[in-house]
Amino acid sequence: GDSVTQMEGPVTLSEEAFLTINCTYTATGYPSLFWYVQYPGEGLQLLLKATKADDKGSNKGFEATYRKETTSFHLEKGSVQVSDSAVYFCALYSGGSNYKLTFGKGTLLTVNP
Amino acid sequence: EPEVTQTPSHQVTQMGQEVILRCVPISNHLYFYWYRQILGQKVEFLVSFYNNEISEKSEIFDDQFSVERPDGSNFTLKIRSTKLEDSAMYFCASSGQINYGYTFGSGTRLTVV
Repeated sequence: GDSVTQMEGPVTLSEEAFLTINCTYTATGYPSLFWYVQYPGEGLQLLLKATKADDKGSNKGFEATYRKETTSFHLEKGSVQVSDSAVYFCALYSGGSNYKLTFGKGTLLTVNP
Repeated sequence: EPEVTQTPSHQVTQMGQEVILRCVPISNHLYFYWYRQILGQKVEFLVSFYNNEISEKSEIFDDQFSVERPDGSNFTLKIRSTKLEDSAMYFCASSGQINYGYTFGSGTRLTVV
């Protein structure tokens, strides 16, 4: 079945540091890939997405590239801010009419000033 | 921006009691979902709902769970006889099409004592 593996957290960085959160997946066919973010006390928000191989999703300075050869969708940001502190979830949708998402466990990011 | 609204934000219940978690999806969305996240674990799919019926459910969604869209706006998850292991954050979501991503609610934290 489908699965998503994210790097274990928590991740603690200083402001302006470079961020990478690794995500790899197992899926049938050609899934669509997503990163969701959950700020403290809030729901899950779509951060970015990519629907086919070599696509790059980007939003708010975050980027992730759909790498079919390595089945990866790593999240990166060149310079993190305190306001980026949140839990980040990698997810995939591998087809079917119900649009069911499969999530990773989430990675807690804390950015210190 | 349209939101998915969940109530209550936190519910404490005694083991064996029935609980109803409520959600108001985005009005022009067609697909509705419940997910849950046990503390420290991954976000897990429970059920999807389309055209007034369940379209898919996971093995977690056993006979003690049910969903309903009673009045065309609310979408509820009922747990008939709660168990300690039902303690989790429950997320409601709705979507139009998957390539636009889901919209999630802020979640209901259910604590069974």
